[in-house]
Formats: sequence, C-alpha cells, structure tokens
Amino acid sequence: GAVVSQHPSWVICKSGTSVKIECRSLDFQATTMFWYRQFPKQSLMLMATSNEGSKATYEQGVEKDKFLINHASLTLSTLTVTSAHPEDSSFYICSARELGGGDTDTQYFGPGTRLTVL
Amino acid sequence: GQNIDQPTEMTATEGAIVQINCTYQTSGFNGLFWYQQHAGEAPTFLSYNVLDGLEEKGRFSSFLSRSKGYSYLLLKELQMKDSASYLCAVYDSNYQLIWGAGTKLIIKP
Repeated sequence: GAVVSQHPSWVICKSGTSVKIECRSLDFQATTMFWYRQFPKQSLMLMATSNEGSKATYEQGVEKDKFLINHASLTLSTLTVTSAHPEDSSFYICSARELGGGDTDTQYFGPGTRLTVL
Repeated sequence: GQNIDQPTEMTATEGAIVQINCTYQTSGFNGLFWYQQHAGEAPTFLSYNVLDGLEEKGRFSSFLSRSKGYSYLLLKELQMKDSASYLCAVYDSNYQLIWGAGTKLIIKP
C-alpha cells in the first residue's frame, strides 16, 4: 500500500527559530502533496496544496511567508515554519496523492509531526 | 457553502455493530472517503466510494447515495481498538477534499 513518511515525528524548539518538516512518499510518485494542521480535538485544517515544480497554493488565512513549502521532487515536500511562536504549536500532517482515477486519487497521510514551541 | 455533517460522538458496545452517518452538500462530487484517526495520530484511509452502493472491506463497510448526499460507515464485531474518530471527506468538483469534523466513537466493554 501507499506509504507516506514524515520527519521528524516531534520537535520542540525555542520561540523565534525555524523548523523544517519533511514529507516523503515512499512507494509512489506524488504529483500533489497537502499540508494540514490539527489542533487538539479539532478536525484537520488544510494549510496549503503543493504541486511538484510549482508554487504552493495557500488557503485563506495561512501566511505563505511564515509557512514555506517546497515540493522539490515527486517524492518530497517540505514545510518550514519560520520564526515559530508558541501559537504555532500544533500537529502538522502531510498527505500525498497520485492522480490517476479511482483509489489512486486517495490522499495517504504521513504519521504527523507534533511541534511544540516554547 | 460546502458542508459535511456527521455526529460528534457515538457510543457502542464491544462485539456490536455501529453505523456512522455522513451527509454532505458540496459544489460537485468526485468521491467520498472515510478515514480513521486515533488520538494523537494521523488519519488512516478506510474506504473510498464514488458510485452508489455498498463497499465491504472485512469488518468495515461504506455506503453511498449520491442522490441523497449521504454515506454511512458500518463497523461490525466492534473491538476496543476501534475506539477512534472517524472522518468523512468529500472531493468536490475541483478535487478539493472537504472534511467533516469527525465522529468520536467510544467502545465500551
């Protein structure tokens, strides 16, 4: 089955520092990857959609200069939280999709990264 | 606007059957997904329906009626490990995934 990995699983950082989160599709090529954040007891909130080789599309209210997304290859997308603050503490989850119809349109999720900003 | 409704919480007994309903109103439809999410973990894919009818996968089944904008996830022979949130999500006409808020399922012995 389709496997998506994320690294790191959790990270604690000081306020003002930047944190990079990697998302990889391990056994398929992901033309599109998605970045979500989830606060406790809330549903997933889509932050941005990234297509390989092009700029990410950010959802309304998400600061593109703060959350930098790079989809460098068909198997790797990165999210960098710049100048992180305590309110950025959240569970960040990526998903990957290989377009092709049927189940291949399914988004498969990485295990998530728990970010805590002190 | 786009909207997906599912119950906030449900309780069921180990070994029993539970049905989690989902109704949707979206701009277009290109498939409906059910995901399972355990607390503190990312969602895992359960099922995908794009045509009307019932899809069965072991203890889990998912049903879709496009004319009614309705789906349900049926869980049989409930086990304690099935305690989780179940998320309904729909692809709209632009293949944007619209998420429900999730149904927290509590399984009691």
